[in-house]
Amino acid sequence: GNSVTQMEGPVTLSEEAFLTINCTYTATGYPSLFWYVQYPGEGLQLLLKATKADDKGSNKGFEATYRKETTSFHLEKGSVQVSDSAVYFCALTPGTGGYNKLIFGAGTRLAVHP
Amino acid sequence: KAGVTQTPRYLIKTRGQQVTLSCSPISGHRSVSWYQQTPGQGLQFLFEYFSETQRNKGNFPGRFSGRQFSNSRSEMNVSTLELGDSALYLCASSLAAAQSSYNEQFFGPGTRLTVL
Repeated sequence: GNSVTQMEGPVTLSEEAFLTINCTYTATGYPSLFWYVQYPGEGLQLLLKATKADDKGSNKGFEATYRKETTSFHLEKGSVQVSDSAVYFCALTPGTGGYNKLIFGAGTRLAVHP
Repeated sequence: KAGVTQTPRYLIKTRGQQVTLSCSPISGHRSVSWYQQTPGQGLQFLFEYFSETQRNKGNFPGRFSGRQFSNSRSEMNVSTLELGDSALYLCASSLAAAQSSYNEQFFGPGTRLTVL
């Protein structure tokens, strides 16, 4: 079946620290991969995406590379800010059928302190 | 362009009652998907509607149902509420033509349902 596993939080960092949130997946076919972010009291926002192997998604200083050989899509940012504090979700849509059916990881809470 | 709107934002019901939640997609979007978010189970896909037809379905009991109207607005209904149905229910819309390509989904702020 299809599933997503991401590192448990919370992750606590100081401002300007380097961020990595690990994400691995299991999927049949060729899934598309996503990172979503949820700020307190809000819905989900798409942070970045990659639709095929070796694609790199990037947005707002965040990056993630679709690694088919390791079935991974780790999120990185070189220098985090307090405003990056949120919950981050790794997700996939199946490669065959169900293209709008997002399958999410458990989420990783990030807290950035000044 | 207005985003996805969901009404009501907060709802309190008692066990055994039924509830209807509403979602208005972004103008021009024809696909609406629903998700349930709970601390224990995380984010889980409920179902997707496209052109008034259910196109995908998650693993939820038949108490959870939905529909989509000709203007793409969607409602979901939960009958015979249980305590475990307390959750944030999120709606997402996308352009979603054929299922042969990726379609970005845009999420609404959610409806917080509390079952007492």
